[in-house]
Amino acid sequence: QKEVEQDPGPLSVPEGAIVSLNCTYSNSAFQYFMWYRQYSRKGPELLMYTYSSGNKEDGRFTAQVDKSSKYISLFIRDSQPSDSATYLCAMSAQGAQKLVFGQGTRLTINP
Amino acid sequence: EAGVTQSPTHLIKTRGQQATLRCSPISGHTSVYWYQQALGLGLQFLLWYDEGEERNRGNFPPRFSGRQFPNYSSELNVNALELEDSALYLCASSRWGALDTGELFFGEGSRLTVL
Repeated sequence: QKEVEQDPGPLSVPEGAIVSLNCTYSNSAFQYFMWYRQYSRKGPELLMYTYSSGNKEDGRFTAQVDKSSKYISLFIRDSQPSDSATYLCAMSAQGAQKLVFGQGTRLTINP
Repeated sequence: EAGVTQSPTHLIKTRGQQATLRCSPISGHTSVYWYQQALGLGLQFLLWYDEGEERNRGNFPPRFSGRQFPNYSSELNVNALELEDSALYLCASSRWGALDTGELFFGEGSRLTVL
């Protein structure tokens, strides 16, 4: 079993839709949760960071962490074509020596 | 401020050869990470260097090795190349302790093709 599972998609939605991206994980030691965005032919860039459980909002983006269910989500409101990218979840444990990534979900927002 | 730079952008090798990939971190960053991004597999952790020392290593065979130089740049060496080594190799840099916050800054990668 992989430490982090993420549906690779692809996911295609119309402009303006609410997008939900999810990851599950098996390691209960994970405390730090991140979402990265990777445009085609580019390296990933950090989008959101959350510590432990709870929600965090940044503009049109909301990250949720449910440690009891070992489940994290990223919501994108009012999606735009410029949001088309691959979204990767990542997580680490206290004193971690590596960041563990999900497989990435390829998202396309259609105008 | 210059970002993380990687070279070469593309590299084509044949089975059994060696490949060397290079990475220059952001100024002020002491940690360098190497990840392999193969099709459909996401980012797989390879190596972490900080202050010239190897801090952690992922589940890859010993033919994957690297080093970090005094100026914090790094190189990744892959010996005895196999077809399945074909992938995008991403380098990231950070300040110490960034694994807790995810503040890793990635380069655009080196695409290695093994024929």
